[in-house]
Amino acid sequence: QQPVQSPQAVILREGEDAVINCSSSKALYSVHWYRQKHGEAPVFLMILLKGGEQKGHEKISASFNEKKQQSSLYLTASQLSYSGTYFCGVRTSSNAGGTSYGKLTFGQGTILTVHP
Amino acid sequence: DAGITQSPRHKVTETGTPVTLRCHQTENHRYMYWYRQDPGHGLRLIHYSYGVKDTDKGEVSDGYSVSRSKTEDFLLTLESATSSQTSVYFCAISDLRGRQEKLFFGSGTQLSVL
Repeated sequence: QQPVQSPQAVILREGEDAVINCSSSKALYSVHWYRQKHGEAPVFLMILLKGGEQKGHEKISASFNEKKQQSSLYLTASQLSYSGTYFCGVRTSSNAGGTSYGKLTFGQGTILTVHP
Repeated sequence: DAGITQSPRHKVTETGTPVTLRCHQTENHRYMYWYRQDPGHGLRLIHYSYGVKDTDKGEVSDGYSVSRSKTEDFLLTLESATSSQTSVYFCAISDLRGRQEKLFFGSGTQLSVL
């Protein structure tokens, strides 16, 4: 079952902040975040593992709340280059062992548009 | 560049015909994936492989089969293509070394079924 992302779309002006959420109905083992530019393949941003850690990538950071089975991606002081579709991908705890460990399920994506 | 190549890049076919998409990698990664991407649905897992001849189904596997006879190649076959299988197909690879694994995606295949 796909995780649910919100919002579906965000429109910003340069310098503004945004938060993208990713929620799962199943217990999570890890959460990935990817960004896809129009006409291109998705590109890895970061991974968060069980333990509630927060990670950063330039001015983009993320958190992972195991209890709530959700992750949030924070984009601060947005730049034009941040425009694209953001996807969260999850590995569930039930798949953490055995051959299904590799199974990574993505959300439906959040379209982020940054205007000058 | 993670050494991953998809072929063909574009394909137009007719309903009812068989279609095979190929994913080739050069870096000996263990895990390989096939996703389809459609507006409003994001990336949906079709099948994945965790080794030679070892494959498993994803969320949307009906109408698709896969084969992996060599580490470097992962084939996706539509036995009898339907219009609902018109989509962009992405192959991805992953190492899963340690816990800091990540997926590398191919450039995608645009498939149109008329």
